[in-house]
Amino acid sequence: NAGVTQTPKFQVLKTGQSMTLQCAQDMNHNSMYWYRQDPGMGLRLIYYSASEGTTDKGEVPNGYNVSRLNKREFSLRLESAAPSQTSVYFCASSEARLAGANEQFFGPGTRLTVL
Amino acid sequence: GQQLNQSPQSMFIQEGEDVSMNCTSSSIFNTWLWYKQDPGEGPVLLIALYKAGELTSNGRLTAQFGITRKDSFLNISASIPSDVGIYFCAGLGGYNKLIFGAGTRLAVHP
Repeated sequence: NAGVTQTPKFQVLKTGQSMTLQCAQDMNHNSMYWYRQDPGMGLRLIYYSASEGTTDKGEVPNGYNVSRLNKREFSLRLESAAPSQTSVYFCASSEARLAGANEQFFGPGTRLTVL
Repeated sequence: GQQLNQSPQSMFIQEGEDVSMNCTSSSIFNTWLWYKQDPGEGPVLLIALYKAGELTSNGRLTAQFGITRKDSFLNISASIPSDVGIYFCAGLGGYNKLIFGAGTRLAVHP
């Protein structure tokens, strides 16, 4: 099993350009998440999808949109990139059972620079 | 919103020393998780805690879920060079959303 995979690994954009970050998991998890990580800070939740067909805003959703394409895939789109969106983006997934273990497993990250 | 205070921010220790770091919150969590992040990688789960008072070990790592459910600590015994990295605590809040601490950056000198 590959776990959580993300593409691309690196990306440089100019201000105003758009792009989509891809994420896929092969663990049959119900929930998927997008985080951003900035220097000296922990990860902050952008959007999440509790189950296939649903998406909800996290702590820092402005400037982003998401699509839960199917149970495996959850994409993050920047419609008009801004320098403030320069960050490392992580996708995660969890089984999200009602009780018990709900650990999140992370992908390797996408390093995005917006000039 | 919910926030976690993780300390210390960074640690510089000699190989073989023990390490202790902790997280506190003003809110109650039902689950505490500890992750390690190596440079250029995503966080990797080290230990998960599900009950107040729970003490769990994973090799040289030991973590505890505080009785008040508002804190947790992680200990690393007999540190080795590969322990270098950033350690994050995370509390599982509503709707299975994780709240992360800012991380403890650990450097181990041989």
